[in-house]
Amino acid sequence: DTGVSQNPRHKITKRGQNVTFRCDPISEHNRLYWYRQTLGQGPEFLTYFQNEAQLEKSRLLSDRFSAERPKGSFSTLEIQRTEQGDSAMYLCALALSAIYGYTFGSGTRLTVV
Amino acid sequence: SQQGEEDPQALSIQEGENATMNCSYKTSINNLQWYRQNSGRGLVHLILIRSNEREKHSGRLRVTLDTSKKSSSLLITASRAADTASYFCATAGVADKLIFGTGTRLQVFP
Repeated sequence: DTGVSQNPRHKITKRGQNVTFRCDPISEHNRLYWYRQTLGQGPEFLTYFQNEAQLEKSRLLSDRFSAERPKGSFSTLEIQRTEQGDSAMYLCALALSAIYGYTFGSGTRLTVV
Repeated sequence: SQQGEEDPQALSIQEGENATMNCSYKTSINNLQWYRQNSGRGLVHLILIRSNEREKHSGRLRVTLDTSKKSSSLLITASRAADTASYFCATAGVADKLIFGTGTRLQVFP
């Protein structure tokens, strides 16, 4: 139990379909972060929330991506019209602040075929 | 984008040996953190070193930081097969987010 639950663990989808991932914090943290990790690389920042406010979005987050955190608790990340290049591990992390370190979920591995 | 690079990209050692991995970064930092990732899993926070610290220990882990060279090293002493994982450095700077390096894949053989 990492303190962060991500669902689903694995998702295989056909190119062009929409997918949605969910991140459920088990404990209370102000900040919730989404990262993407491709094989052999480190996690790359996508976006983060402070409570329900989305404070920063990476240029990696094209207009096909949208993230929400209603009520400042769980968060969803949606990818519309998926492309093969979207295949990656999507990681959710919680923090009081980045300077104190993150608690990561186990991630959702997306495969676009 | 990645903050910097880690070196080596991959490291194979025998149990009982020490493992050293290095991290370089590009911008000024508040602190530098090391994380571990087992295959296909999320990352686990290992240790944090502040920009005004030069060395820190935690169990079998020793971290050094040289802000003049913008580099850090992680030493794992007396390695075990269970230490097999990927290790990432991450920097915390002005922006409230971590920027991760490219990682070192460590294989420890029994």
